[in-house]
Amino acid sequence: AQKVTQAQTEISVVEKEDVTLDCVYETRDTTYYLFWYKQPPSGELVFLIRRNSFDEQNEISGRYSWNFQKSTSSFNFTITASQVVDSAVYFCALRGTDSWGKLQFGAGTQVVVTP
Amino acid sequence: DGGITQSPKYLFRKEGQNVTLSCEQNLNHDAMYWYRQDPGQGLRLIYYSQIVNDFQKGDIAEGYSVSREKKESFPLTVTSAQKNPTAFYLCASSIQRDAFFGQGTRLTVV
Repeated sequence: AQKVTQAQTEISVVEKEDVTLDCVYETRDTTYYLFWYKQPPSGELVFLIRRNSFDEQNEISGRYSWNFQKSTSSFNFTITASQVVDSAVYFCALRGTDSWGKLQFGAGTQVVVTP
Repeated sequence: DGGITQSPKYLFRKEGQNVTLSCEQNLNHDAMYWYRQDPGQGLRLIYYSQIVNDFQKGDIAEGYSVSREKKESFPLTVTSAQKNPTAFYLCASSIQRDAFFGQGTRLTVV
């Protein structure tokens, strides 16, 4: 069985602070994919990043960065110098090898950035 | 523009009624999915389809039905058997590794 845990329900920060979202996953697959999605108040899910299980390089994209550590089954996401537009729910998700694209989602973390 | 279109954005259902949520994609993706989102919870898979005329139950299929007569379309019917249908419904399609989502339909039972 696959499982994704996002232990932080809500994080509140003041603009320009950094915020790190935790994601811990469980899977028996040796090949799998991890994702982060952003859900703004409008509701749609916006794809942020995909990482496969063989690529443990950290990635940076603008103010976003991701830290994948296979040894601890974690795929954490950091927003640097947060902005009000970053306020959203962020989901971590997992897809196994033979799951035909089906995603297992965490419960999500609500990020609130205040001016 | 290529994408996934869900309609309507808001839907109200009376007790005992069946309602159908529309999902159309022009991305030429083979696979399509329906997820349900409840407040404070992640998305849960209702049904998915890998190819036309084929679909499979997800984790919470009871009270729902789907069809896949065309590659572009994957409508979801919420039947009267679904005891707690009030939720946000998201449709997705995928090719290879990545899934893309529509803007969702918020269903409310009145």
